[in-house]
Amino acid sequence: EDQVTQSPEALRLQEGESSSLNCSYTVSGLRGLFWYRQDPGKGPEFLFTLYSAGEEKEKERLKATLTKKESFLHITAPKPEDSATYLCAVQASSNFNKFYFGSGTKLNVKP
Amino acid sequence: NAGVMQNPRHLVRRRGQEARLRCSPVKGHSHVYWYRQLPEEGLKFMVYLQKENIIDESGMPKERFSAEFPKEGPSILRIQQVVRGDSAAYFCASSPRGGRSSYEQYFGPGTRLTVT
Repeated sequence: EDQVTQSPEALRLQEGESSSLNCSYTVSGLRGLFWYRQDPGKGPEFLFTLYSAGEEKEKERLKATLTKKESFLHITAPKPEDSATYLCAVQASSNFNKFYFGSGTKLNVKP
Repeated sequence: NAGVMQNPRHLVRRRGQEARLRCSPVKGHSHVYWYRQLPEEGLKFMVYLQKENIIDESGMPKERFSAEFPKEGPSILRIQQVVRGDSAAYFCASSPRGGRSSYEQYFGPGTRLTVT
């Protein structure tokens, strides 16, 4: 069964303390992997799409990478405004119509 | 440019009533997805629609739930005879393409349904 697991569930960092969030997936053929940011009471906001192992995408303090089994979201020198829940989702080649979301990592960056 | 709009933002219904959630996609987007999110959980796919067509409804309960995306007007998610377990945040997302094109989705702010 297609599945997405994110870890850790929650992460507390000091401002400037770099770290990584993990997204492990089991799908029958990966079509695309997506990272979103969700603030409390709001809808997810698109960050990145990755399609193949070895691919990397960057945006400000965020960098997403992809292997055949997992993706990492690296946060370099985070700021308090980076506090949010980060969600990853996968689209399987076996069914383009559905997107499977992980439960998210809740990031809290303390000043 | 207007993003995805959902209304109402908050909806309170008594058990047994009907809930009707509306979603207006980004202008020019013809692909709409509905998701349900329970507290501290991820988004669960419910249904994928194109204009006047339901493409995939495999994530939607077979009873009481229905969805439509008419040629004109917003997409509607309808829940009949609501029960307490239907209480959740319902998100709509739109995309300029779907299926094989693997396009990112743009989400609305959600409708928070509370069943009393």
